[in-house]
Amino acid sequence: KAGVTQTPRYLIKTRGQQVTLSCSPISGHRSVSWYQQTPGQGLQFLFEYFSETQRNKGNFPGRFSGRQFSNSRSEMNVSTLELGDSALYLCASSLMARLAGVSSYNEQFFGPGTRLTVL
Amino acid sequence: DQQVKQNSPSLSVQEGRISILNCDYTNSMFDYFLWYKKYPAEGPTFLISISSIKDKNEDGRFTVFLNKSAKHLSLHIVPSQPGDSAVYFCAALGGADGLTFGKGTHLIIQP
Repeated sequence: KAGVTQTPRYLIKTRGQQVTLSCSPISGHRSVSWYQQTPGQGLQFLFEYFSETQRNKGNFPGRFSGRQFSNSRSEMNVSTLELGDSALYLCASSLMARLAGVSSYNEQFFGPGTRLTVL
Repeated sequence: DQQVKQNSPSLSVQEGRISILNCDYTNSMFDYFLWYKKYPAEGPTFLISISSIKDKNEDGRFTVFLNKSAKHLSLHIVPSQPGDSAVYFCAALGGADGLTFGKGTHLIIQP
C-alpha cells in the first residue's frame, strides 16, 4: 500500500506570493491533517479535513487555508507569503477523524513533507 | 505557551544502554500521548502511545510511562541500538484538536 505523498518536495517563493501544497493520503484514509515544522516552534497543527470538511483548525492566521476533495486528496494554500512561513509542511492521513471527548487514537501516517523557502 | 515540553534538545547514550527521553505537559485536557521518531528528510513515524487511563505501555524495546499527577511521561528504549539515532517527538491529544508536539529530542547512540 502506497504511503502518504506530498508534492512538491521543495519549493522556493518570494515574499508576497502565494503557494499551494498537495497531499495524497493513503488509500482508504479519509482524514488529512496538516502541520508546520520550524526550528523555533517545532511541529504545529494547522488544520484537519475529513469528508471534505474542515474539522479542526490550529492557531494560524487566515492566510493559511486548505481544502479536501472527494477522493480525500487535500491541498493547503498560503497567501501573501512572509519570511516566517519558511518551514517544512507535513501532511498526515488517518482512517477517521478524532472524535471529541473520545479517548482514542486513529494512527496518523505522515508524508515526507514539503520544504518551503520564502526569500 | 508550550503545552508539551521536551527540555532536552539532545541526548547521547552508549549502544546497549538504556535511553530515557522525557516529556512534560501542562494541559490537563490531554488524554492520549504518543511518541514519534523522525529521521532527516522523512516525516515522523509513530512509535508507541499511551492512554491517560494507563500508566505504562510496552512494545518490544520501547516502554512509555505516564505519571498523570506530575503531568510527565517518558520513553525508555532498552537496549539502545545505532538505528535508534533520530529525533524523538512527544505528542499529545485532547478534545478534537490535532496533535500537540514537543520540540523534539535528538537521540544519539554512540558505539
